[in-house]
Amino acid sequence: ILNVEQSPQSLHVQEGDSTNFTCSFPSSNFYALHWYRWETAKSPEALFVMTLNGDEKKKGRISATLNTKEGYSYLYIKGSQPEDSATYLCAFPGGGADGLTFGKGTHLIIQP
Amino acid sequence: DADVTQTPRNRITKTGKRIMLECSQTKGHDRMYWYRQDPGLGLQLIYYSFDVKDINKGEISDGYSVSRQAQAKFSLSLESAIPNQTALYFCATSDWEGSGGDTGELFFGEGSRLTVL
Repeated sequence: ILNVEQSPQSLHVQEGDSTNFTCSFPSSNFYALHWYRWETAKSPEALFVMTLNGDEKKKGRISATLNTKEGYSYLYIKGSQPEDSATYLCAFPGGGADGLTFGKGTHLIIQP
Repeated sequence: DADVTQTPRNRITKTGKRIMLECSQTKGHDRMYWYRQDPGLGLQLIYYSFDVKDINKGEISDGYSVSRQAQAKFSLSLESAIPNQTALYFCATSDWEGSGGDTGELFFGEGSRLTVL
């Protein structure tokens, strides 16, 4: 079983502030790193699928970076808004025929 | 209509009852998955299937079984439900994007909340 760690577990951020959180994963046999956003009462939705070391992806105010050699990815949110409140999950393929292994998530609350 | 549909959305049942959760998809994906979510534990993989004739156990398959009736349908059964199977269950699909592992993003259903009394 792979170990995918996310930190912090929860985060309270003032509206307008920027924030970031971390996902760490095994650096050997890297295939891809996924980020999902999961809003309350909805289904998780993919934000990014990252495959290359040094990759940086951006979607609006949200961006992510990837370091496959040291086994971590950062998710950044610039100018947080209340609609950014959600649980952010990262996931790592098990390699071969396995499904994705998810971290426990970072629960982000944006305070007005 | 949702691309990945789960039924039922909510179910309350008693210990020892047999329960089936159904999932159907219109995305045309070969790969389908069942995950379970418990507070503080994230999503845990129960079973997955890469095509109609392929069934694989995930991290927490004990107490569960699955059936892949067609490319579009993947059902999860609890033969004899117990209270610690109370959880939110998600079905998901993905499309294989290349060699070297599963890099395709997952598309999730709306979830099925199961309570076992």
